[in-house]
Amino acid sequence: QKEVEQDPGPLSVPEGAIVSLNCTYSNSAFQYFMWYRQYSRKGPELLMYTYSSGNKEDGRFTAQVDKSSKYISLFIRDSQPSDSATYLCAISGSNFGNEKLTFGTGTRLTIIP
Amino acid sequence: SQTIHQWPATLVQPVGSPLSLECTVEGTSNPNLYWYRQAAGRGLQLLFYSVGIGQISSEVPQNLSASRPQDRQFILSSKKLLLSDSGFYLCAWSRGLPNMPQHFGDGTRLSIL
Repeated sequence: QKEVEQDPGPLSVPEGAIVSLNCTYSNSAFQYFMWYRQYSRKGPELLMYTYSSGNKEDGRFTAQVDKSSKYISLFIRDSQPSDSATYLCAISGSNFGNEKLTFGTGTRLTIIP
Repeated sequence: SQTIHQWPATLVQPVGSPLSLECTVEGTSNPNLYWYRQAAGRGLQLLFYSVGIGQISSEVPQNLSASRPQDRQFILSSKKLLLSDSGFYLCAWSRGLPNMPQHFGDGTRLSIL
């Protein structure tokens, strides 16, 4: 079983829709959770960083963590064509190697105007 | 603010030639530094990371090596490139504390002919 599972998509939604992106993880020792956005031919850009269960909001983006289910989500409200990108989840905080992150494989999102 | 520079953006090299990719970080001290390779649909593969000058940890045995000659400089090298070394190489930094998010450069697209 992979440490982090992420649906690769692709996911296409109309402009203005709410987008839900998800990851599951297997190790309950993971405590820190991140979401990155990656445009084509660019490096990943940090969107959200959280270490507690519950919701964290930043503008149109909400990160949700459910540690009991080992499930994390990123919601995008009022989606825009500029949100079209690949989204990667990342987690950290295992019992060893806490300088490192474990990444999902990414979900490719397209917002249709 | 902190910035990360990675060059070149694109590189085409013949099989058997040497490689040197450079990454520098500005605006922070004692960062952790990372080299990743990203293959299409396969996520980010951590190649090397460093927590200090001259300290290199290798994650995957391969044809590549890394060096950190200065606090904010990280170099990825190879003596003889293989066709399988083609890919998108990303450098990243994080604060030198546990479980910190990483911040990425814009990558080098390496093609081996």
